[in-house]
Amino acid sequence: QVHLVESGGALVQPGGSLRLSCAVSGFTFSDSYMSWIRQAPGKGPEWLSYISHSGFVTLYADSVRGRFTISRDNAKSSLYLQMDSLRAEDTAVYYCATYRDFAFGYWGQGTLVTVSS
Amino acid sequence: QSALTQPASVSGSPGQSITISCTGASSDVGTFNLVSWYQQHPGKAPKLMIYEVTNRPSGVSNRFSGSKSGNTASLTISGLQAEDEADYYCCSYARSGTLVFGGGTKLTVL
Repeated sequence: QVHLVESGGALVQPGGSLRLSCAVSGFTFSDSYMSWIRQAPGKGPEWLSYISHSGFVTLYADSVRGRFTISRDNAKSSLYLQMDSLRAEDTAVYYCATYRDFAFGYWGQGTLVTVSS
Repeated sequence: QSALTQPASVSGSPGQSITISCTGASSDVGTFNLVSWYQQHPGKAPKLMIYEVTNRPSGVSNRFSGSKSGNTASLTISGLQAEDEADYYCCSYARSGTLVFGGGTKLTVL
């Protein structure tokens, strides 16, 4: 059974940093592209980034390019999102998801990031 | 990249069919047959219902179907059931290699 579990969400001040983690099981992580998606309260999802199975290919949305960094550890079946220079508008539930056939097949339950002073 | 345009809400009675539209541009929906649809119940993560415009993942009811014409993709739900009441989001691959979501449509089953 496929499981994705995000962690690391917290209350952080503007300008601060946070690292999210996503632990996966139930499928071959090292063969899978992965992605981060967020959803602000009452809003639709927003794609943030994806990373290839090897980690060599990454892509970011304009809204986070230069501030967020996606990475992965295939030995630990884990995906990460390093978030720097956080802003109030980054407040959202952050989801990790598998990315295959240009769609997000499996999602975690999400972790809440709140950026506020 | 601008968000795809969806109606804010649609409604239908049990047993009826409804269609949700998703309008993009020539840089995304119009060029690529790479539109996906997601169902989201309150407090839950989105669930993939359709990918590559018309394909259903294993386990998704055949009451859900997708189509596309020009810059507009559509999700049709036939034989509406109470459990279909949820928010629905479309998503498209774009020329830049990025992905863009729609603003969402709230489906009410009357």
